[in-house]
Amino acid sequence: NAGVMQNPRHLVRRRGQEARLRCSPVKGHSHVYWYRQLPEEGLKFMVYLQKENIIDESGMPKERFSAEFPKEGPSILRIQQVVRGDSAAYFCASSPGQANTEAFFGQGTRLTVV
Amino acid sequence: GIQVEQSPPDLILQEGANSTLRCNFSDSVNNLQWFHQNPWGQLINLFYIPSGTKQNGRLSATTVATERYSLLYISSSQTTDSGVYFCAVSRLTGANSKLTFGKGITLSVRP
Repeated sequence: NAGVMQNPRHLVRRRGQEARLRCSPVKGHSHVYWYRQLPEEGLKFMVYLQKENIIDESGMPKERFSAEFPKEGPSILRIQQVVRGDSAAYFCASSPGQANTEAFFGQGTRLTVV
Repeated sequence: GIQVEQSPPDLILQEGANSTLRCNFSDSVNNLQWFHQNPWGQLINLFYIPSGTKQNGRLSATTVATERYSLLYISSSQTTDSGVYFCAVSRLTGANSKLTFGKGITLSVRP
């Protein structure tokens, strides 16, 4: 009974490179959320996806950030041309859906931009 | 959007002591969860408690939805309880239950 799986756990990128973060939800969960935790801060919502659809991206920066949740495979959070301010922990959560909204979180990906 | 306030911001306990952590929120919610972020950064689900009372070992939680607050009780604290405790809430909009987090309560349990 695997929980939410995120990889990699740690990612180091040089300024200007691309970062790709992966998230496999709990089996049977069709709702995926991405959150970002900046140093010494709480978690902030970024984007909510269902299979093949972005439902709410109100928390995503307007540029360089994108997310997808394809029909097959994990959800991907992509950050292009990373800058030092992108250094943070990125968490993915999944939930079963409308009838049960409890969210389960992965272990996070810690992105460091050098 | 919903505002979530947690108190106190920091808490230092001697091992074996009890504590109460509070979460106030500004609007009605469909979901309230408590999380423990351990020193390694992992987020551990403690309770899914939009209303009522639940207990799990030394931890228990109560949410009074009509008064917009939740309490997390830790009894006989242990050093492994150290970390940051987050309260998070959501209002269901369609199928969207994105969580709004409080700033967290940093707990240090001294041996």
